[in-house]
Amino acid sequence: DVKVTQSSRYLVKRTGEKVFLECVQDMDHENMFWYRQDPGLGLRLIYFSYDVKMKEKGDIPEGYSVSREKKERFSLILESASTNQTSMYLCASKWDRGISPLHFGNGTRLTVT
Amino acid sequence: DAKTTQPPSMDCAEGRAANLPCNHSTISGNEYVYWYRQIHSQGPQYIIHGLKNNETNEMASLIITEDRKSSTLILPHATLRDTAVYYCIVGSPISSGSARQLTFGSGTQLTVLP
Repeated sequence: DVKVTQSSRYLVKRTGEKVFLECVQDMDHENMFWYRQDPGLGLRLIYFSYDVKMKEKGDIPEGYSVSREKKERFSLILESASTNQTSMYLCASKWDRGISPLHFGNGTRLTVT
Repeated sequence: DAKTTQPPSMDCAEGRAANLPCNHSTISGNEYVYWYRQIHSQGPQYIIHGLKNNETNEMASLIITEDRKSSTLILPHATLRDTAVYYCIVGSPISSGSARQLTFGSGTQLTVLP
């Protein structure tokens, strides 16, 4: 089974802090994604990556950046956390750019105070 | 990507089949139908996907209408552990320059009752 591991389940940070959310997958997937999930808004795509050092903006990239230095690891960075970035963050990976399904981690619930 | 419409909630008795409908009337020819579910406080879990033929795996069956404008996910013998939010999504392979992959809506909250 594919395993997508997010480094923290719960995180509390202060406004203005730099925040790193880490995600690792163990199935050699090329494609990795970061979503945020908010009540009533569903899952929204922040950034995704086709390959090492490649990244593309999703629907809501503002306030975020990403890093993909190794194939198995995809990091989401909040340069200066704000309260409106309090959310559940979900990392996902998939085998190809075709029809293979997404595999999700269990999420990081981030609270910015 | 095509939008989907699902009922916000459904109940099902334990041991009975759960039939979850999804409308995707604007689906295009190369778009697949995917189903995921999310149990509270966990990440979404992939269930099944299909293009136009019916599909079955160890978790569920997917029935897609001939015109592909709607589909039904069937959990043949629902258990209490199947209580979750079920998402129906349509999507196509990632194309170069596309910023969109699978767009998740609000889903259907399925509650399996003892």
